[in-house]
Amino acid sequence: DAGVIQSPRHEVTEMGQEVTLRCKPISGHNSLFWYRQTMMRGLELLIYFNNNVPIDDSGMPEDRFSAKMPNASFSTLKIQPSEPRDSAVYFCASSETSGNSYEQYFGPGTRLTVT
Amino acid sequence: SQQGEEDPQALSIQEGENATMNCSYKTSINNLQWYRQNSGRGLVHLILIRSNEREKHSGRLRVTLDTSKKSSSLLITASRAADTASYFCATAGGGYSTLTFGKGTMLLVSP
Repeated sequence: DAGVIQSPRHEVTEMGQEVTLRCKPISGHNSLFWYRQTMMRGLELLIYFNNNVPIDDSGMPEDRFSAKMPNASFSTLKIQPSEPRDSAVYFCASSETSGNSYEQYFGPGTRLTVT
Repeated sequence: SQQGEEDPQALSIQEGENATMNCSYKTSINNLQWYRQNSGRGLVHLILIRSNEREKHSGRLRVTLDTSKKSSSLLITASRAADTASYFCATAGGGYSTLTFGKGTMLLVSP
């Protein structure tokens, strides 16, 4: 298996532009997570999907952030409009929640820079 | 909010030495996991210990869990330069699959 796939790996955009980050989870995993990592705040959970349904989006910073999971093999995280404080590394992770293990597999991340 | 808090924030040792990192948490857990992150990469799962377990081994890794003290430790024996990375503990509560991560310990192993 190729693992969790994220694209793009790097994104540089200007303030006010729309940014879309993409994630393909590991086949067979039924849970998907979006995280944001910064030096100041560490690793923060933004949103969690189970069986394609958003379960917990309490970590989404504000209405400028939205996430979708139209099917079991694809998810997007959109920021519109983007702001410089959104600059961070965004990780997608997936897991198979049967067996009560909760082990998560992370993608390589998307480094977002908003100027 | 961050539940796990790692200690120390940074650790510098020589190859061959053992490295010990600690994690404290605040609420009851279903399990506790340790992850490694190499610079510029995603996190990689290392080991999971359930709330009813006290100690677990995996290769050069040894994890302990003391639920009465709400703490865990990760021991890396005979460290190598390749072990240089940040190490995070993450706690999982009951009922959900989400993890709460600490801010990590940066480990530097010098040849």
